[in-house]
Amino acid sequence: DGGITQSPKYLFRKEGQNVTLSCEQNLNHDAMYWYRQDPGQGLRLIYYSQIVNDFQKGDIAEGYSVSREKKESFPLTVTSAQKNPTAFYLCASNLGGSQALPQYFGPGTRLTVL
Amino acid sequence: AQTVTQSQPEMSVQEAETVTLSCTYDTSESDYYLFWYKQPPSRQMILVIRQEAYKQQNATENRFSVNFQKAAKSFSLKISDSQLGDAAMYFCAYRSFRGGADGLTFGKGTHLIIQP
Repeated sequence: DGGITQSPKYLFRKEGQNVTLSCEQNLNHDAMYWYRQDPGQGLRLIYYSQIVNDFQKGDIAEGYSVSREKKESFPLTVTSAQKNPTAFYLCASNLGGSQALPQYFGPGTRLTVL
Repeated sequence: AQTVTQSQPEMSVQEAETVTLSCTYDTSESDYYLFWYKQPPSRQMILVIRQEAYKQQNATENRFSVNFQKAAKSFSLKISDSQLGDAAMYFCAYRSFRGGADGLTFGKGTHLIIQP
């Protein structure tokens, strides 16, 4: 089955540590995205990538980094510079070529800083 | 920058009844796309319906339909014959027509409760 997988489902981090969230898709989608969701809030865009080896900052990129070495993979690193990293993180993807194409989401990773 | 506003933090409806969720947005663009996503307790985001701004006809998907009022910048979602499985957070989202693979701009969501 085609889809987007995110791992782990739950992640705990000590303050001062970097942590990497995995996102993999087998939909052959060109574009991939990372969003953050806080309680009572909508999703906010962290980073996105249209093609391999290229990515752009979203609205709340500070304290995060990404890479796009393969079309299928778009890992997100939450660095120690992120002041309040506890949140639910969602990865999404869509085919390139048109903004009309809907984004499909992974199941998410819940990150908690201890 | 675009903004999306969902003014109803929570809505409740009796099973089999109809409910309408409100969404307004602010943009200076003339071409764009609008979406409604559903997030059940599993937290998986599921696309419900989408609307192209250049289309006057309102989109429909089975029991789900929208009332798109471009001049008023309003994009409400109507759910007919509500079912227990419709209980979820519903998010309205905006996407620019411009290229560049910008992401979606989301509202804060409406929590929909279905009363049996």
